[in-house]
Amino acid sequence: SAVISQKPSRDICQRGTSLTIQCQVDSQVTMMFWYRQQPGQSLTLIATANQGSEATYESGFVIDKFPISRPNLTFSTLTVSNMSPEDSSIYLCSVKDGGDTEAFFGQGTRLTVV
Amino acid sequence: SQQGEEDPQALSIQEGENATMNCSYKTSINNLQWYRQNSGRGLVHLILIRSNEREKHSGRLRVTLDTSKKSSSLLITASRAADTASYFCATVRTNAGKSTFGDGTTLTVKP
Repeated sequence: SAVISQKPSRDICQRGTSLTIQCQVDSQVTMMFWYRQQPGQSLTLIATANQGSEATYESGFVIDKFPISRPNLTFSTLTVSNMSPEDSSIYLCSVKDGGDTEAFFGQGTRLTVV
Repeated sequence: SQQGEEDPQALSIQEGENATMNCSYKTSINNLQWYRQNSGRGLVHLILIRSNEREKHSGRLRVTLDTSKKSSSLLITASRAADTASYFCATVRTNAGKSTFGDGTTLTVKP
């Protein structure tokens, strides 16, 4: 199974600022995803991070708010831009090595916007 | 919107008892996976069951899948206090690999 390092593990940020979350995998993986988990709720997919091209965003999420980079097969970043208190959530990186395989998750980034 | 619904939303049992959680979904799937999450941290993968499989076991865990009813169940036998966590099912519909998560069941196992 892949080992995923996600940084930072938590942060408290001022509204209007931006935070970049990093996801580093110990091996090359085909697929990388970013999820949001709002307080007390389940996970919602933000986007699929595509290597060397623009991410594929789910309905309700846009690149200007959540820019994503994936320069290679082991690393991706998610930026939460112009934050508001409504962005307070856990953000999770997930990887898979094929559509029909299990997904592995990082430990998440707990973001609080004040 | 979430594809999956889980019930119960919350389950409280005594150590040693069995815990059963159910997951229903709306469309055809490639596979279904169960995860555990402790205290709002990262998810731990438990079991993957493919659409052509009906039952899988892993230690004290047993997962069933009924594609005709679009439902799955997770059974934890001989529960322990350390099993206290939130449990989520997630479905994958295509080779794009995206997972759609259910609402989750919060399990409390009392020592």
